[in-house]
Amino acid sequence: QVQLVESGGGVVQPGGSLRLSCAASGFSLSSYGMHWVRQAPGKGLEWVAYIRYDGGNKDYADSVKGRFTISRDNSKNTLYLEMNSLRAEDTAVYYCAKAAGAAGNNYFDYWGQGTLVTVSS
Amino acid sequence: DIVLTQSPATLSLSPGERATLSCRASQSVSTYLAWYQQKPGQAPRLLIYDASNRATGIPARFSGSGSGTDFTLTISSLEPEDFAVYYCQQRNNWPPLTFGGGTKVEIK
Repeated sequence: QVQLVESGGGVVQPGGSLRLSCAASGFSLSSYGMHWVRQAPGKGLEWVAYIRYDGGNKDYADSVKGRFTISRDNSKNTLYLEMNSLRAEDTAVYYCAKAAGAAGNNYFDYWGQGTLVTVSS
Repeated sequence: DIVLTQSPATLSLSPGERATLSCRASQSVSTYLAWYQQKPGQAPRLLIYDASNRATGIPARFSGSGSGTDFTLTISSLEPEDFAVYYCQQRNNWPPLTFGGGTKVEIK
């Protein structure tokens, strides 16, 4: 069955960096676009970033553009999110999520359990 | 950016009752709208995609309708496990992909 397992969250000071990973299994990662979605404590969902199945196209929310980088290693079945210049408002649970189908079908049909990132001094 | 506005913010109902949730888009999203259910401490789960198609394994009591700017998620008869927060999401015009603010369905 499809499984997505995030790791790498933790507490970091403002201005610091963190790298999240998402290990995928149960499907061919190289065939699907992947996303990161976050949820601040007690708040709603916010899309963060997208990467095409082959890594050839990436998109970002304005709130993270220039600070976050999404990448993937299909040979390792792993998705990444490199987060730099972190701010207090980046505090959230970060989910990796699989795009639901063919290119352009950007709904999220499978989600990881999430990893908590806390930005605080 | 397309803004999705969900109403009501909270819906207080009893098991067995019908739930009707609304999602309004700031501009047309055609039928490119999905609904998700999220329970406390869990990741969201895809319920409905392309406005009216149930995702794999979703019970028939969940149905979606609408097009353009106005969409509805209906739960025909609430089961105890249906009390949760529901989000709509559009993919018609992105980036960014956007979500509504959520509707909490709580036990009355």
